[in-house]
Amino acid sequence: DAGVIQSPRHEVTEMGQEVTLRCKPISGHDYLFWYRQTMMRGLELLIYFNNNVPIDDSGMPEDRFSAKMPNASFSTLKIQPSEPRDSAVYFCASSLAGWETEAFFGQGTRLTVV
Amino acid sequence: GNSVTQMEGPVTLSEEAFLTINCTYTATGYPSLFWYVQYPGEGLQLLLKATKADDKGSNKGFEATYRKETTSFHLEKGSVQVSDSAVYFCALNRGDYKLSFGAGTTVTVRA
Repeated sequence: DAGVIQSPRHEVTEMGQEVTLRCKPISGHDYLFWYRQTMMRGLELLIYFNNNVPIDDSGMPEDRFSAKMPNASFSTLKIQPSEPRDSAVYFCASSLAGWETEAFFGQGTRLTVV
Repeated sequence: GNSVTQMEGPVTLSEEAFLTINCTYTATGYPSLFWYVQYPGEGLQLLLKATKADDKGSNKGFEATYRKETTSFHLEKGSVQVSDSAVYFCALNRGDYKLSFGAGTTVTVRA
């Protein structure tokens, strides 16, 4: 397997524009996670899915953020409208079920909102 | 609640020095514990893990032992290399399949 694949790797957009980040998890993984990483706040869990169903979105900062998982092999994180404070690295990760299992991370999308 | 606390960095070492990064946790039940490493410009990679008390995880010369009595999972390496320069994250799995991460410790190894 190629691992967790995220696109784009870098995104620069203007304030107010819609941004969509994409993720393809590892085939067969039951769980998918979206994280945001910033210098100030470190690594934050935004939302996670189990079998394509959102389980916990308490980390989503505002209504401007939304995430979907229409099937087992694809997820999106959308920000609309984007703001400069959304600038961060966004990671997608996937895992199998179980206490002992680790999450596998994608390489991240570096988002810059100007 | 469940949380992870790891020593603040940054940590700067010379090659072949001994590295320790402290990690303590607070959790209900018996979590699994992990160390992840993030190299510049990359995502997080699992470095090692331990799933029950007294387990020792090891990989690439790094070791960490799950100490339930002290709720700790300190990372150690006896002789670091320049290629070990990275950010290291301690994490726990609370059983609800969400990983809780520490703040990360930046390690720089000088030649």
